[in-house]
Amino acid sequence: QKEVEQNSGPLSVPEGAIASLNCTYSDRGSQSFFWYRQYSGKSPELIMFIYSNGDKEDGRFTAQLNKASQYVSLLIRDSQPSDSATYLCALREYSGYALNFGKGTSLLVTP
Amino acid sequence: KAGVTQTPRYLIKTRGQQVTLSCSPISGHRSVSWYQQTPGQGLQFLFEYFSETQRNKGNFPGRFSGRQFSNSRSEMNVSTLELGDSALYLCASSLGGGGVDTEAFFGQGTRLTVV
Repeated sequence: QKEVEQNSGPLSVPEGAIASLNCTYSDRGSQSFFWYRQYSGKSPELIMFIYSNGDKEDGRFTAQLNKASQYVSLLIRDSQPSDSATYLCALREYSGYALNFGKGTSLLVTP
Repeated sequence: KAGVTQTPRYLIKTRGQQVTLSCSPISGHRSVSWYQQTPGQGLQFLFEYFSETQRNKGNFPGRFSGRQFSNSRSEMNVSTLELGDSALYLCASSLGGGGVDTEAFFGQGTRLTVV
């Protein structure tokens, strides 16, 4: 079983701070990595994806990938209470089309 | 541009019954994937269809099946429902080319409750 591990949280950060969400994975054959945000009772919403080592920025979000250490992270700058949600990390293997999800990290941004 | 549409949004079924869920992908998307989400197991992959062919299947019993039509719309069926099948069933739509930058977008889901 190819594992995707996330700390379940909750991760609590004050408004305006940087939230750092981490994900480790066991499959070295993984190809692409995705971050989804899911509000309670809603479906997952794609934030961004990354497939090359290094950083990728999109607005307040930065994804970081380190394939040698098998981890991917998501940084949220200037966190807002509206960012409070569960953040899901997912990977896609080289040979497949399915997404393999972690169980998510709950983020709470306090005013 | 319309998003991914799943119907119905909510279902209540009795053990032993069967159920069919529907998913219409984003226009131009040819790949549809299905996932089951439960509090204990999280999001788990069921199967993926592209051009009416199943390309990938997850580790679920044969009671779970699906199909895709020529217009890319997809249905999944669960037969002989069990209490443990109660979950949020999510459909994801993508272009389907399989490239490293292929994004998948989710519908609103169908909440199935088995009683």
